[in-house]
Amino acid sequence: DAKTTQPNSMESNEEEPVHLPCNHSTISGTDYIHWYRQLPSQGPEYVIHGLTSNVNNRMASLAIAEDRKSSTLILHRATLRDAAVYYCIQGQGGKLIFGQGTELSVKP
Amino acid sequence: DGGITQSPKYLFRKEGQNVTLSCEQNLNHDAMYWYRQDPGQGLRLIYYSQIVNDFQKGDIAEGYSVSREKKESFPLTVTSAQKNPTAFYLCASSRLLSATNTGELFFGEGSRLTVL
Repeated sequence: DAKTTQPNSMESNEEEPVHLPCNHSTISGTDYIHWYRQLPSQGPEYVIHGLTSNVNNRMASLAIAEDRKSSTLILHRATLRDAAVYYCIQGQGGKLIFGQGTELSVKP
Repeated sequence: DGGITQSPKYLFRKEGQNVTLSCEQNLNHDAMYWYRQDPGQGLRLIYYSQIVNDFQKGDIAEGYSVSREKKESFPLTVTSAQKNPTAFYLCASSRLLSATNTGELFFGEGSRLTVL
């Protein structure tokens, strides 16, 4: 099964950029990379997803390595509301397997 | 309003009883999913379905069953064969943008099952 590897936890300061890494060495050519985040006591929410090119939306940017074996989620200016568990998912068709995620804490 | 609805929110059951969790969506999404989340853990995929009358096992399907008779409904039955059913269950749905590209997952508010 598709498995991603992320650090268990990261810390950031408010208003600074945050780079959340993810390794997905078993990725195939058609697997998309998805990112979700889960705030305490809430269900996960979509952040971004992409295949090969770097992707941007109002929440974040996704930088995908040229060999596609790793990617980085970039939050351009962390706020206290960005404190959450961030999940990187290697999507195999309709099958999205969540890993343990990275717990991001943001210091004021 | 469009969305995904799970019921009940809280459920208690005795050991040996089957219980069915409801999941309904009015987003006209093709795909639906069931995940289980234990305290301090990530989500684990139980079953998913991309089309009516078809569904696939996830990583932890043993002790669970599902049906997909209608596009908008994907109920999950937790059977007595599930050894440790106490958990938080999340249902989600999504569009299928292509055979390999799943759109954004929309999650319900979850059902918390406690086995006494």
